[in-house]
Amino acid sequence: DQQVKQNSPSLSVQEGRISILNCDYTNSMFDYFLWYKKYPAEGPTFLISISSIKDKNEDGRFTVFLNKSAKHLSLHIVPSQPGDSAVYFCAASAGTGNQFYFGTGTSLTVIP
Amino acid sequence: DAMVIQNPRYQVTQFGKPVTLSCSQTLNHNVMYWYQQKSSQAPKLLFHYYDKDFNNEADTPDNFQSRRPNTSFCFLDIRSPGLGDAAMYLCATSKWGGNTEAFFGQGTRLTVV
Repeated sequence: DQQVKQNSPSLSVQEGRISILNCDYTNSMFDYFLWYKKYPAEGPTFLISISSIKDKNEDGRFTVFLNKSAKHLSLHIVPSQPGDSAVYFCAASAGTGNQFYFGTGTSLTVIP
Repeated sequence: DAMVIQNPRYQVTQFGKPVTLSCSQTLNHNVMYWYQQKSSQAPKLLFHYYDKDFNNEADTPDNFQSRRPNTSFCFLDIRSPGLGDAAMYLCATSKWGGNTEAFFGQGTRLTVV
């Protein structure tokens, strides 16, 4: 059973606009959330994370928002750049365990 | 640069012929993971080590084994690869496990012929 879900397989955005990628989770024990970016034929690259004690974390153009009551998080990329075109994976973990659970990814295309 | 290195990047093996994938890290992380990723699917955790402690996922087939001879190296052994084992295999490391970020290697693309 998929505990982390990314319901949008793909997203297209114009360069300079905001990209919003969404992620939902079902396990209320999850308390640490991460976003990864993946280019074809490469491993995922860590982007940004957030602990459940926060509702927002920002790093440059990337901001992650966490809504614990809705079990939902989102990644905002502003402004979007063509180099941001990649597959973005959401991941979650529970502090008591070592495992990371991943979503199926959203393929972002930024159109110049 | 400190990193996670997987070898080889591409591996072709024959149906039923044992194959070993390797992973090394210079991050001195305690936890090492092996994930299997098939096209358009989420990476699926096969097993992980916390130091020398091995943790197998309940649904990982017996065909998959792992070894971690020291902190830096971890191996994935597939004893009798089937066509369904063709996938990208990702190694990752994490300093303390679930509440610290995991860093991935480049992956090994396994083809079974």
